[in-house]
Amino acid sequence: KAGVTQTPRYLIKTRGQQVTLSCSPISGHRSVSWYQQTPGQGLQFLFEYFSETQRNKGNFPGRFSGRQFSNSRSEMNVSTLELGDSALYLCASSLAYGQVTYEQYFGPGTRLTVT
Amino acid sequence: AQKVTQAQTEISVVEKEDVTLDCVYETRDTTYYLFWYKQPPSGELVFLIRRNSFDEQNEISGRYSWNFQKSTSSFNFTITASQVVDSAVYFCALSELTDSWGKLQFGAGTQVVVTP
Repeated sequence: KAGVTQTPRYLIKTRGQQVTLSCSPISGHRSVSWYQQTPGQGLQFLFEYFSETQRNKGNFPGRFSGRQFSNSRSEMNVSTLELGDSALYLCASSLAYGQVTYEQYFGPGTRLTVT
Repeated sequence: AQKVTQAQTEISVVEKEDVTLDCVYETRDTTYYLFWYKQPPSGELVFLIRRNSFDEQNEISGRYSWNFQKSTSSFNFTITASQVVDSAVYFCALSELTDSWGKLQFGAGTQVVVTP
């Protein structure tokens, strides 16, 4: 089975611009979660999507948004980029049945640098 | 508040030594899940184990073993006979039933350095 893929792998943007990151989950996984990883704050949960609906959201400003498509692929968007948005953005997919929490499988990440 | 504490920032060992990584968690939920992930220098998080709060059995997988103790809210991870390929950052994570949709709460991670 192919793993989680993320594109692009690297991005350099300027303050004030916006960016869209893409994630393709493992086949059969309908839950997609996004995380931000920085040296200072560590791994922080952004949001989770299931069946095209956002079910959970972390403590990030509204500049961070996402969506999920009917094939479970997901995108996240960051508008009005700030220097502090420079980070590794990780996408993860998992099975989702009832209240059971399954393990998440992570993609390689997108390294975003804001200048 | 940090719900997962990994007090060890970095551990350095010589190959073939054993290394134990500590993880202490905090939750009021009776149903929760605990995880360990490995992040090698390449950056991709690799899943190692999932444990639910009702299963306190220790687990061994090859050179890896885990000790789950609800009484002390700990879920420690031991690498036996470490190898250079074990060099990575290891993260412990918690998922709580009351906030469970797709959310893992990670500790700060422990950097393991194994030298030949």
